[in-house]
Amino acid sequence: DTGVSQDPRHKITKRGQNVTFRCDPISEHNRLYWYRQTLGQGPEFLTYFQNEAQLEKSRLLSDRFSAERPKGSFSTLEIQRTEQGDSAMYLCASSDSGGMDYGYTFGSGTRLTVV
Amino acid sequence: RKEVEQDPGPFNVPEGATVAFNCTYSNSASQSFFWYRQDCRKEPKLLMSVYSSGNEDGRFTAQLNRASQYISLLIRDSKLSDSATYLCVVNPTGRRALTFGSGTRLQVQP
Repeated sequence: DTGVSQDPRHKITKRGQNVTFRCDPISEHNRLYWYRQTLGQGPEFLTYFQNEAQLEKSRLLSDRFSAERPKGSFSTLEIQRTEQGDSAMYLCASSDSGGMDYGYTFGSGTRLTVV
Repeated sequence: RKEVEQDPGPFNVPEGATVAFNCTYSNSASQSFFWYRQDCRKEPKLLMSVYSSGNEDGRFTAQLNRASQYISLLIRDSKLSDSATYLCVVNPTGRRALTFGSGTRLQVQP
C-alpha cells in the first residue's frame, strides 16, 4: 500500500464548470476525511466518512459540494458550478478507528484553480 | 475566536539555534494533540503527538499545558531541512475530525 492517493494532482477549470476529485485511502482505513486549504491557512474540515456513511459535514460544504464513498473504499468530492473562491488545495486523509487519537495520513492533495 | 491559534511567523533563525512555537486552543475538554509539519505546496505530515507528560523525539520536544490550554514545540539545533510550516492540531471533544491551526512558518538560514 502506497498511502493515500488523490487524483488529479492539479485541475484548472473555468468558473461555472463542475469538477470531481477522487481519493483512494489506505486500504485498511475505515475513516476518510476531506479538508480544504487556502494559502496561509491550515486545513479546514469539510466532511467525514466512516465506511460508506457520511457522518459529518462542515458548514463550509455548501450545497454545490457533494461527497460520496459508495463502497466504503474510494471517495469522490464533486463541486458544481465552480466559483473563484473554490480555488484551493483539497486534501483527503484516512485513518483507522484510532485516527482521532493517533493522527491521520494525508494524500498529496488536488490543487484546484478556477479561472 | 479560532479554535486553535498560532503565531504565523515567520520565525527566521540561524542553523543550530533553538526555536519554540506555542499554540493555544479554546476547547478545554480537547483530548488529543499533535504537531504536523507541512512543506511548501505539500501535504501535512504527522510530526509528533503531544502527551500530558510531554514527549521528545530527537531534537523535537512537545509539551502540553492543560490548565493554560496551550501546546508548545521546541526544536533544538535547527537544521536547514527543518524549514517548513508547523501546524498545531487538536482533537476537540464531541467532534469527529481534527482541527488545525493556521500554522507557524519556520525558516532556518545558513
